[in-house]
Amino acid sequence: TQLLEQSPQFLSIQEGENLTVYCNSSSVFSSLQWYRQEPGEGPVLLVTVVTGGEVKKLKRLTFQFGDARKDSSLHITAAQPGDTGLYLCAGGTGGSNYKLTFGKGTLLTVNP
Amino acid sequence: NAGVTQTPKFRILKIGQSMTLQCTQDMNHNYMYWYRQDPGMGLKLIYYSVGAGITDKGEVPNGYNVSRSTTEDFPLRLELAAPSQTSVYFCASSRNSDSNQPQHFGDGTRLSIL
Repeated sequence: TQLLEQSPQFLSIQEGENLTVYCNSSSVFSSLQWYRQEPGEGPVLLVTVVTGGEVKKLKRLTFQFGDARKDSSLHITAAQPGDTGLYLCAGGTGGSNYKLTFGKGTLLTVNP
Repeated sequence: NAGVTQTPKFRILKIGQSMTLQCTQDMNHNYMYWYRQDPGMGLKLIYYSVGAGITDKGEVPNGYNVSRSTTEDFPLRLELAAPSQTSVYFCASSRNSDSNQPQHFGDGTRLSIL
C-alpha cells in the first residue's frame, strides 16, 4: 500500500508570513497533484507535477516535485487569509491519475 | 457551470436503513469516482468507473455498491447502514486517466448513521 505523509497536520500563521508544507512517501509516484479544499466544498486542483525536480509557480504558491518523485513541497509566500483551507497532496501511479493516493492533508489557517 | 452535482447534501440514517447517494456530471467525463473523507484521514477511494457499464472496487468498497448505466450518473448505494459509514462522501469525475487531468469534485454529502 502506497502512503503519502503530509506535514504539518495543522498550521496557524499570521498574514504576511511564509510557509512550507510537505508531502512525503517511500514510494515513487508518476505524478503528484495538490488540491485545496475549503469548508463545505470539495477539493479543487491547484497543480500537477510529473517530472522529478519540476518546479511550478501559481502566483504566491510554489510547488516542487522531488528528484526521485517520492516527495513534494508547497511553499506559500506572504500568506493571505484567502489561503486558508485544507491542502491535500495526491499521488498517481503508472502514468495515470484514476487511482490517486491522497495524503491526510494540512489544515492551514491564516489570521488577519 | 454545474460540474459535479451531489444530492442530498445532508442525511441522517438509522442503523440498518438503506439509501442511495446521487452523483451526476455534465462534463461528458468518462471516469467517475466515489470517495469518503473522515476527519484527519484524507480521502479514501470507495469505487470508480472508467465508463458506462464498467465499475471497479477501490480501497474501501465493503458495505457499498455502485452502478454506471449512463455516462452522466454514478450513484452510490448503502444497503445496511452502519455507524462506521458516518462520513462525508465525495463524488468526482475526470476526462480520462492522463496524469495531467484534474479530478473535479462535487461539494459532498454529509451522512450520519445513528
